Amino acid sequence: GAVVSQHPSWVICKSGTSVKIECRSLDFQATTMFWYRQFPKQSLMLMATSNEGSKATYEQGVEKDKFLINHASLTLSTLTVTSAHPEDSSFYICSAGKYGASGSGAKNIQYFGAGTRLSVL
Amino acid sequence: ILNVEQSPQSLHVQEGDSTNFTCSFPSSNFYALHWYRWETAKSPEALFVMTLNGDEKKKGRISATLNTKEGYSYLYIKGSQPEDSATYLCASPRLWGGNKLTFGTGTQLKVEL
Repeated sequence: GAVVSQHPSWVICKSGTSVKIECRSLDFQATTMFWYRQFPKQSLMLMATSNEGSKATYEQGVEKDKFLINHASLTLSTLTVTSAHPEDSSFYICSAGKYGASGSGAKNIQYFGAGTRLSVL
Repeated sequence: ILNVEQSPQSLHVQEGDSTNFTCSFPSSNFYALHWYRWETAKSPEALFVMTLNGDEKKKGRISATLNTKEGYSYLYIKGSQPEDSATYLCASPRLWGGNKLTFGTGTQLKVEL
């Protein structure tokens, strides 16, 4: 159990277009979903945290108008990279925390998708 | 934001070797330490969540220890197999950050025949 599906796994787009990435929890309800970005040889960097039905919380330095996050249900969150440019090329990965998981948030396992490789030409 | 560091960055071992690598984190205001295993083209999966100083957790041939006073955790793999080849990530929740995790850069393990 606890499978997170992320689509697409890779995408190539032209500069100026928008790209939507979906993150779905397939067999559980996700209280919170997280979006990370990873540059080569660097760690996963948290971009934003989204809770179902409320606005996402963005990390410092992440442009919320550039990276639109929608978390419309307990099983789906989307990240839209608007007007993508080559510098947005990166690896994006989502994770989800289970709704109703026991214990404090700090101890709760995150369940990850497999990531999306975005290349902007 | 916590500074979580891992070493070595990469490791090549022979099948059957035992190996270990380190995750270090600030020891003040410790909440928990997560270990994840990430195979290429797959999703990272949780191995352990450790919370108590001196804790040792085991999953098959993989085990981990935790020292919260000095701020480090070791991950051990006994008798490495090619299927153990993966990147091993550790992460620690942020101070006042609730369930937000700060990840290290990972240790990339390759087990060769």
